[in-house]
Amino acid sequence: NAGVTQTPKFQVLKTGQSMTLQCAQDMNHEYMSWYRQDPGMGLRLIHYSVGAGITDQGEVPNGYNVSRSTTEDFPLRLLSAAPSQTSVYFCASSYSKRDSSYNEQFFGPGTRLTVL
Amino acid sequence: AQSVTQPDIHITVSEGASLELRCNYSYGATPYLFWYVQSPGQGLQLLLKYFSGDTLVQGIKGFEAEFKRSQSSFNLRKPSVHWSDAAEYFCAVDDLSGNTPLVFGKGTRLSVIA
Repeated sequence: NAGVTQTPKFQVLKTGQSMTLQCAQDMNHEYMSWYRQDPGMGLRLIHYSVGAGITDQGEVPNGYNVSRSTTEDFPLRLLSAAPSQTSVYFCASSYSKRDSSYNEQFFGPGTRLTVL
Repeated sequence: AQSVTQPDIHITVSEGASLELRCNYSYGATPYLFWYVQSPGQGLQLLLKYFSGDTLVQGIKGFEAEFKRSQSSFNLRKPSVHWSDAAEYFCAVDDLSGNTPLVFGKGTRLSVIA
């Protein structure tokens, strides 16, 4: 299993540009989520999904869109990038909390995004 | 809403000294509790977790953590720190009653000096 994969690893954008951060998992996990990590702020939840076709907002959703058309993929879209979105982005996945197999969240390696 | 507090932003210890990183959570019931470590420029690695049962849990790299319900705490300990333990440590809480994923503390950066 590849686990949770994220692409790209690094990205530089100009203000106003759009882009999609890709996240995929091959563990048949129902739950997927996106976090951003900023110095001194820990990891903050952007959006999450409890299954294909279902998404919900986290703590800091503004400026980001998500969709979950398949169990495997959970892309994060920046519609019009702003310097405040400069951050490291982590995708995570897990079994449903109601599943006896639930044990932890698995994290991808992260995407480092800079918005100029 | 549940929250996780890591009171120490930065801790410096000498190599070979003991270590305790504090974590307190605010939640009505006993959630699942986790400690993650992040080395510079790297992703998150799970150190240990508490779901139920024995309140002292052992993890990887010689770390352990103790869950204290009365204090709503889940402190991370290591008896003898190695220089390679220098990293950032995150405590996280999972609300079992809802669908929201992990809530993280702001992290504690550990520096190790010779």
